[in-house]
Amino acid sequence: RKEVEQDPGPFNVPEGATVAFNCTYSNSASQSFFWYRQDCRKEPKLLMSVYSSGNEDGRFTAQLNRASQYISLLIRDSKLSDSATYLCNTGRRALTFGSGTRLQVQP
Amino acid sequence: ETGVTQTPRHLVMGMTNKKSLKCEQHLGHNAMYWYKQSAKKPLELMFVYSLEERVENNSVPSRFSPECPNSSHLFLHLHTLQPEDSALYLCASSNSDGYYGYTFGSGTRLTVV
Repeated sequence: RKEVEQDPGPFNVPEGATVAFNCTYSNSASQSFFWYRQDCRKEPKLLMSVYSSGNEDGRFTAQLNRASQYISLLIRDSKLSDSATYLCNTGRRALTFGSGTRLQVQP
Repeated sequence: ETGVTQTPRHLVMGMTNKKSLKCEQHLGHNAMYWYKQSAKKPLELMFVYSLEERVENNSVPSRFSPECPNSSHLFLHLHTLQPEDSALYLCASSNSDGYYGYTFGSGTRLTVV
C-alpha cells in the first residue's frame, strides 16, 4: 500500500459548486498534514496545513480523520481559478506526496 | 531574494554533456530535497539532505549526483543523461522534519536531446 493515496480525478465541476477530495495515509504516527496546489507546469504551493482536527481558510476547509486515517479538502463556491492539481502530504521526513487530484472548474 | 530559487529555469543538454542545477533557499531551513516530475506524473523524491548530510537516496541512477555544500545551497550534477530524464526538476526545503511543510522552487525544466 502506498503511504499516501488520492483519487486522481479529474473532478469536473461547474462554477459555484462545492467539491471535496480525500487523501488516505498509512502512517498512523504522522503529525502534520498538508494540501498543496500545483498549476500546470509549475511548482506545488502550500495551500493549507492541518495539525489537529481541521483548518479553515475562506472557501477552503481541510479536515483530519485520525481514526480512518484520511484528510479531506473541501472547496466551496468553486472559481475557475481553482482549476489545478491538489496534492496531499503527510509532512514526514521522507516528504511523501500523493499523486494528486485534478480539479477542473467549468464556466 | 526570498524563498527557494532555482537556476536555470530551462536547460537543453545533449546526452554527452555535463551540467549542474542549482538551488538556493533563504528561509533558514536545514533540510533540502530534489524531486523529479515527468509529464503528467507524480512527484518522485530523488534525494534528501538534512543538516548538509544526505539522508535519503531513492534508487536514483548514478548519472545524477547531488551536492550540498551548506544548508542554503543544493546542487544536482548531471552527466550522460538519457532522453527519459527530461522532466521538471524541483528543489524544496523545510525545517528538519518537515513539520511546517515544504517550500518549492520554480523548478528547472530539463530537456535531454
